[in-house]
Formats: sequence, structure tokens, C-alpha cells
Amino acid sequence: SQTIHQWPATLVQPVGSPLSLECTVEGTSNPNLYWYRQAAGRGLQLLFYSVGIGQISSEVPQNLSASRPQDRQFILSSKKLLLSDSGFYLCAWRATSGGELFFGEGSRLTVL
Amino acid sequence: SQQGEEDPQALSIQEGENATMNCSYKTSINNLQWYRQNSGRGLVHLILIRSNEREKHSGRLRVTLDTSKKSSSLLITASRAADTASYFCATDANTGGFKTIFGAGTRLFVKA
Repeated sequence: SQTIHQWPATLVQPVGSPLSLECTVEGTSNPNLYWYRQAAGRGLQLLFYSVGIGQISSEVPQNLSASRPQDRQFILSSKKLLLSDSGFYLCAWRATSGGELFFGEGSRLTVL
Repeated sequence: SQQGEEDPQALSIQEGENATMNCSYKTSINNLQWYRQNSGRGLVHLILIRSNEREKHSGRLRVTLDTSKKSSSLLITASRAADTASYFCATDANTGGFKTIFGAGTRLFVKA
């Protein structure tokens, strides 16, 4: 069966520090991968999605970047965090044929 | 901008009552999905309805889709305290793309 792992689960970072959140998927090949951000009590904002290795689509201009160095690995990064980068980050995958999204358990980022 | 908008933003009911949540969207879609999120967790897929379907059932869940009004509703019958969560609609645009856009969600509280 397919599983998705996302880490770290929580982190507290100072303003101006770098960020790396990692997501890996097991049990499937060539998934579509997604990064969403959720502000407290709000909906999900699509940040990036990828349909293949090295292929990244950015939805919102921001202080973040994404990379897909391997088929089932999706990384969210920042060189210098801003206070506004705080939030709950969710990784998700879906089959290339479409259908439902499968989410990781999320990474809660607090920038101080 | 968010594709889907849920209504109401929050809903509080007694156990055993039915809960109805509505979702409106803006563009043509391939399908519409409903997800559930427990506090601080990832989202879990509940049900998907395709653009050529009008109604779908899954256990205590009933989803309707009206593409002429660009709206959907999620009905949870005989609610339980364990149904307390946030519920989100999400749409896949009919553009051949891979983006899934979420609404702001409805926070449901079921009182025992």
C-alpha cells in the first residue's frame, strides 16, 4: 500500500534562517506531488505542484521554493524565513490518472 | 485565489442531527472532492463526485453537485461527536492541469 511521510512534524525557526521540509511517498511510481500551506483556522493554499522529476509549478510568488530530486521525494525550502512563512505545511500526492489526494500529517512551522 | 468557498464557516449541532455544508466554485471543473481534517492533522479524502454526476452516497455522507449553479453540498446524517472536524471542498479545474484548489472549509462541532 502507498504511504506518505513528511518531516519534521514541528519546528521553530528564527527569522532569516533557512528551511527544508521533506516529503517522500512509498508504494507508487511517478506520483503528482503537492505542497500546500494552511494558516491557522483557514483553508489550504496551493504553493507548488510537480508532475515529474525536476518539474515544478509555482502557484504563489513567495519566499519559498520546491524541488523534486527523485521520483517520490518533494522538498520545500527557503533561504531566509520571514515571519509570514509561519503555518502548517502539508504535502500530498495523487496518481497521474487523477482522483483523490493523499496527505501527509503536516509540518507546523513557527518563525520567531 | 481560492476556487471553492464553503458555507457556513462554522456549524454547531447536537449529536443525531444532520449537518449540511455548502460549497461554491468559480470555474469549470472535472470533479469536486470533499475532505475532512481533524485538528492539527492531515486531510482525509471523503468522497469524489464527477462533473457528470449529480448525487453520490457513501455511508452517512451524501454529496450533490449542481454544475449550472457551480455549487455542491455535503450532508452528514445522524451526526456523531466523532464527526467534529473541519470539512473542505476541493476542485480540479477542467483545464487539463493537475491543480486541486481548496476552499476555506466549514468547522463542524457535534455536541454529545
